[in-house]
Amino acid sequence: DIVMTQSPDSLAVSLGERATINCRSSQSVLYTSNNKNYLAWYQQKPGQPPKLLIYWASTRESGVPDRFSGSGSGTDFTLTISSLQAEDVAVYYCQQYYYTPPYTFGQGTKLEIK
Amino acid sequence: QVQLVESGGGLVKPGGSLRLSCAASGFTFSDYYFTWIRQAPGKGLEWISYISSNENNTYYADSVQGRFTISRDNAKNSLYLQMNSLRAEDTAVYYCASHGGNYFPFDYWGQGTLVSVSS
Repeated sequence: DIVMTQSPDSLAVSLGERATINCRSSQSVLYTSNNKNYLAWYQQKPGQPPKLLIYWASTRESGVPDRFSGSGSGTDFTLTISSLQAEDVAVYYCQQYYYTPPYTFGQGTKLEIK
Repeated sequence: QVQLVESGGGLVKPGGSLRLSCAASGFTFSDYYFTWIRQAPGKGLEWISYISSNENNTYYADSVQGRFTISRDNAKNSLYLQMNSLRAEDTAVYYCASHGGNYFPFDYWGQGTLVSVSS
């Protein structure tokens, strides 16, 4: 199975500052025939289900603020929040949907306000 | 709007059974694949099973293979998870989620239903 590893496990950032979360897959999730990375990011706020933020590594889901961006290719990916807002406090998960099944998630990164 | 509502969770003894349901509305249910994902208390997300739009393909995580069965009723816009031989380690919030196919992310999620396995 593909192992997804996120770093750091937790992160504290000041309001208005940039937050960066990394995700590494044990094998490339880039499909060269269509040049797409089969990598998604989810946000889970306390007491809520996860919400899809970004897919194909860098495409924002409809309604997601543009302060959220995804980048990377192959095995290394990054979720960036350009200017942290209070409502962004959550656990963030990356997920690969290339080598399926099983679909595998990273262990999660807890983002807090400093 | 798209809505997924799980039900059927509760407290069950080890070795017991439960059947979870997920009622969908706001979209064409039969066009989508569906997945069950669980989250143990304070832990991360674990994919456990999916079913294709036409019910022909089902897959399971090794942790539930042979004990859980996923099914759907496209006429009733409903997804199910029959859980047998439950163990303490199956204790979790169970979410249903939709996706456009095998190689697509999970775009809509339900609120989840809690399953507790304890004597």
